[in-house]
Amino acid sequence: GDSVTQTEGLVTLTKGLPVMLNCTYQTTYSPFLFWYVQHLNEAPKLLLKSSTDNKRTEHQGFYATLHKSSSSFHLQKSSVQLSDSALYFCALSETLYNVLYFGSGTKLTVEP
Amino acid sequence: NAGVIQTPRHKVTGKGQEATLWCEPISGHSAVFWYRQTIVQGLEFLTYFRNQAPIDDSGMPKERFSAQMPNQSHSTLKIQSTQPQDSAVYLCASSSGTKGAETLYFGSGTRLTVL
Repeated sequence: GDSVTQTEGLVTLTKGLPVMLNCTYQTTYSPFLFWYVQHLNEAPKLLLKSSTDNKRTEHQGFYATLHKSSSSFHLQKSSVQLSDSALYFCALSETLYNVLYFGSGTKLTVEP
Repeated sequence: NAGVIQTPRHKVTGKGQEATLWCEPISGHSAVFWYRQTIVQGLEFLTYFRNQAPIDDSGMPKERFSAQMPNQSHSTLKIQSTQPQDSAVYLCASSSGTKGAETLYFGSGTRLTVL
């Protein structure tokens, strides 16, 4: 079945440093990949999504590129801010089927 | 647009009691999803409706969990004979999707605590 793997459970960084959160997936179908962000006591919200191979997608300073050859969709930002502290979930959906399957999440903490 | 509305925000039940969670999707959205969030398991898919019809309940624990969508403006998730392991945040989401891979809009969730 479909699955998403996020290898880092916790990431702690100092403000201004770059970050990369890993996401790999398994599916036999043509995938859509998503990153959702959940701030403390809030609902998860879409950060960015992609279905196009090798094309970078960006939003709010974050970016990710879907690489179908390596089944990856890593999330990056060049300079993290205190407000980026949150839970980040990678998710997978099949093209014709709307259910999102989420990874286990990565908690990003940005320190001053 | 008020977004997805979930009630109650918090619910505490005793072991063996019933819990009913409510979700009002965004007006005009045709798909409604239920997820369960715990620290250990993360976000688990439970069940999914499209145009009020149940499409996929593969994530639902079979014996005590049930979900319904009697009309386009609300869905309920019912847990009978609640157990401590049912303690979690239950999230409802809706999407406008008539096709796959639409953005899901989540509610703020219901935090269920089973004592």
